[in-house]
This record gives sequence, C-alpha cells and structure tokens, in this order.
Amino acid sequence: SQQGEEDPQALSIQEGENATMNCSYKTSINNLQWYRQNSGRGLVHLILIRSNEREKHSGRLRVTLDTSKKSSSLLITASRAADTASYFCATDGAPNRGSTLGRLYFGRGTQLTVWP
Amino acid sequence: DTAVSQTPKYLVTQMGNDKSIKCEQNLGHDTMYWYKQDSKKFLKIMFSYNNKELIINETVPNRFSPKSPDKAHLNLHINSLELGDSAVYFCASAGTFNEKLFFGSGTQLSVL
Repeated sequence: SQQGEEDPQALSIQEGENATMNCSYKTSINNLQWYRQNSGRGLVHLILIRSNEREKHSGRLRVTLDTSKKSSSLLITASRAADTASYFCATDGAPNRGSTLGRLYFGRGTQLTVWP
Repeated sequence: DTAVSQTPKYLVTQMGNDKSIKCEQNLGHDTMYWYKQDSKKFLKIMFSYNNKELIINETVPNRFSPKSPDKAHLNLHINSLELGDSAVYFCASAGTFNEKLFFGSGTQLSVL
C-alpha cells in the first residue's frame, strides 16, 4: 500500500519539551504534508514540504524530508498542552504516474499528549 | 464562517437503513473529497469530485453513492448500511493544484 506510517504511535511529554514524530512512506512523491487532528475534529493542514526540499519551518514546527530514505520528521519545539492531538503525515503517491488528482495517502498518526 | 461544513455530526442507525451525509464548502474550491477514518484512525480516500465530476473512486462498494449538485456541495448517500460502515466520514476540499486539503469536522456514523 502507499500510505505513510507514523512512528511512534503514541508520545507523551511535558510542556516545554520538544516532540519529534517520524513518517516513512513507500513510493516516490511530489510532496509530503503534515496534518493535526484534535479529538473529535477534522484534520488541519500544518505544513507541506516538496520533494526537492530538505527542511522547512513554520513557527514552532520544523519538518525534514529525506527522499533517499523515504522518510520525514516533524519536530514541535517548546510544546504546549494545546499541542495535544494526533499528527498525520500524508503523501501524494507517485509523480511518475502523472497527476495524482489530489489523492493523499495518510498513515494512522502519532497521538501526542503534552502534560501541563 | 466554517470553511467546510458537514452534517450531521453524529448519525446512529440500524443495519439495512439508508442514510445521507451532506457537505458544503465556501472556499471556492473546485475539488471535494470523502475520506473514511476507521477506529484505528486510519484515514482513506473514498471519492473525489472536480467541478461536479467524479475523478476518484477508490474501490468503494456500490452502496456508497456520492452526489455533487454543484462544485460547493458533495453529499454521500449510503444504502443498506452494514456494521462495518461504522466510522468517521470526513469531507474535504482542495484548492489550486489539489495539494492542501481543508477538512470538515467529521460525521461519526454508528451502525447498530
């Protein structure tokens, strides 16, 4: 299958600590995205990194991409209780197959709990 | 204003019934999607419509029939509901280049 796979499945940290989540995928990609899902809510887009980029920042978020290893990581610095959520990576499949028509492949997410 | 809104939020029904979930987006996007999230949080695409035309159908049973009356609406009708249909169904839309998705808050479907 083509979906990404996040690791770890669950992560529990204290406020102020950094949280690192990893994602591995199986096919070539145009881009990789990270989404956050709060309990009982829909997914919210956090950041998109393209296949020709290695690192990207957005506020307290830092995403890296290693296409040779087919992996990505999401780092949340100085975590807050409000960061408690599930984090999903999503890939867009194989660019060699032409337009992916917006089809995204998600993993099962990493459940992050940040304790006050 | 909610960008992608879907109703109802919760849907509890008996096996064999027919039910519909409605979705509307006010973002002016051309492409809309239905995703299904199972109990293990695995999220999988079901359908995609671009400007009212079906462009993705990911091997979903015929009991599921999407309908897009206009590009701002994508509804999902499910016939003869089965226990295995219990899940959270998310509507989403995407703008230019169909990259970043905007999700609705989900419909929790429970089939008893």
